[in-house]
Order: sequence, then structure tokens, then C-alpha cells
Amino acid sequence: GQSLEQPSEVTAVEGAIVQINCTYQTSGFYGLSWYQQHDGGAPTFLSYNALDGLEETGRFSSFLSRSDSYGYLLLQELQMKDSASYFCAVNSGYSTLTFGKGTMLLVSP
Amino acid sequence: NAGVTQTPKFQVLKTGQSMTLQCAQDMNHNSMYWYRQDPGMGLRLIYYSASEGTTDKGEVPNGYNVSRLNKREFSLRLESAAPSQTSVYFCASSSQGQVDNEQFFGPGTRLTVL
Repeated sequence: GQSLEQPSEVTAVEGAIVQINCTYQTSGFYGLSWYQQHDGGAPTFLSYNALDGLEETGRFSSFLSRSDSYGYLLLQELQMKDSASYFCAVNSGYSTLTFGKGTMLLVSP
Repeated sequence: NAGVTQTPKFQVLKTGQSMTLQCAQDMNHNSMYWYRQDPGMGLRLIYYSASEGTTDKGEVPNGYNVSRLNKREFSLRLESAAPSQTSVYFCASSSQGQVDNEQFFGPGTRLTVL
């Protein structure tokens, strides 16, 4: 089976840096993705890591360590609009994703 | 370019009623998916269609059926709704073979079964 663990909630203040961790156990692994969801709306794709290391996209970065079955999403220069739920998801083949339960990020002034 | 559209946006059913959730995409994607999202449970895959003409079960297929009507449309049917199927249903699509398997989601259908 597949299982992903991520914190249920993280809080931070505007301008700060926050890291959301994700550990996974899967029977197959092609890569780790991150999605953002505001207020129960449509999830949107943020990033994807297939290889070990850091991928940077603007204020967001994502890291993967395949040997540790671990990844994280790093959000810098936090803004109020970053308050949302963040999901890690494993691509284990056959074009499907298995999602974690999500981390709710609350950004305060 | 509407992306992924879903109908209806909201629906209330009584136990035992049936209904079909509709999904369409205009991005010429091969693969389409149906998820359900419950509080604190993340997104769970119900069924997917890797390409036109094929469908496969996901993590939670019991109580559901799907039809890949053509490349654009993928419907989800509840034959006899149960309160446990109260959830938010998301349809998604992706381009088969794309390395990152980025999935594009519709706005969701909020279903309540009484």
C-alpha cells in the first residue's frame, strides 16, 4: 500500500519562511508532487521532484530525498494569500497520484 | 479555454437515489480522474481513465461506476446513494506521458446524501 504523512496544520507570520514536511511509504515511486488548495476549491499544481535535490520556483521550493523517502515544500516571504492547504502526492506509476491528508497553513499579519 | 468543468456544483440526494456527475476537459488530455475529498482525508482516487476507452479502479471504487464517453468527457455515477458518499467530488485531467503528471482539477461537486 501507500501512505504519506504530513503535519495537519502549520502557522506562520507574514514575511516568514515555513517548511512543510512529507514522508512517504509506497510500493513504487516515480516522483513527489505538491498541490495547493484554497478554501476547498480546485487544487492547483505547485511543483514536482523526480530526483534528489531542490527545485525552486519563485518563492516556493521543493526538496526530495529518495533514500529517506522524504520531501518538503519551502515557502519564503510568506503572504496572506499563501494561507491554504498544501498536499504532497506520490506518483507511483500508471498516471495516478496518491495524496497525503494535507497541511493547513495559516499566515497571520 | 475553460479547462476542466464539472456539473452540477451542488447536489442533495436522498438515500437510494441515483445520479451522474459530469466532467469535461478541453485541453486534449488523455487521462482523466475522479477523486473524493472528505474533511481531514485528503483526496482519494475513485476511478481513473488513462486513455479513451479504458477505465480502472482507484483506492475507493465501491458504490461508483464511471464512463469515459469520449476523449473530453468522463462521468461518475452513483447507482444507489448512501450517506457515506456525502463528499466533495473533484474531476481532474492530465496529459499522458508527461513526466510530472501535472493534474488539472475542476471546481468540484458538493454532494450531500440524506
